[in-house]
Amino acid sequence: RKEVEQDPGPFNVPEGATVAFNCTYSNSASQSFFWYRQDCRKEPKLLMSVYSSGNEDGRFTAQLNRASQYISLLIRDSKLSDSATYLCVVNDGSSYKLIFGSGTRLLVRP
Amino acid sequence: SAVISQKPSRDICQRGTSLTIQCQVDSQVTMMFWYRQQPGQSLTLIATANQGSEATYESGFVIDKFPISRPNLTFSTLTVSNMSPEDSSIYLCSVGQHYEQYFGPGTRLTVT
Repeated sequence: RKEVEQDPGPFNVPEGATVAFNCTYSNSASQSFFWYRQDCRKEPKLLMSVYSSGNEDGRFTAQLNRASQYISLLIRDSKLSDSATYLCVVNDGSSYKLIFGSGTRLLVRP
Repeated sequence: SAVISQKPSRDICQRGTSLTIQCQVDSQVTMMFWYRQQPGQSLTLIATANQGSEATYESGFVIDKFPISRPNLTFSTLTVSNMSPEDSSIYLCSVGQHYEQYFGPGTRLTVT
């Protein structure tokens, strides 16, 4: 079983749609959770950290369910510029080492 | 967040040669890391670059193949030694601030 599992997609949605990505992780000791965005041929960029209470940043909402070891990202009112690969990332529980999921690809069409 | 630069941005190298990649940060940082992203894959941690001591390598990566230097808190190098086509990848450095990490722009390496 992979340490961090994501649906690779692609998710193909129209502008203005709401789309949700899910991620599961295997290490119950993980303490830090993140969503990164990676554009084609670019480096990953931190989109948001994910907290136990959930957090929202504009059109983006992240949720964490520790009991189910599940993380989600909701994007509302999708824009063309949201087209990218979204990486679910967790720490390994015992250090600053980050474990990356393989990413979910989002395509937003006009 | 810190501004991170990498040199070179890309290179094409012949098998059997070595390439040294530089990572420069505009402020002092405690944690620096080196990752590899093979075509169509996600990121894999190569090692943690420790200032003043030997790097800490992940399983599957060894110092002879990927020697790392970290002479101070703003700079690190990764060398890819005795390259083969399987080393063709993007190599990224990152810096850690609390538990978050921020990435440099990457070095795209092609080995022929």
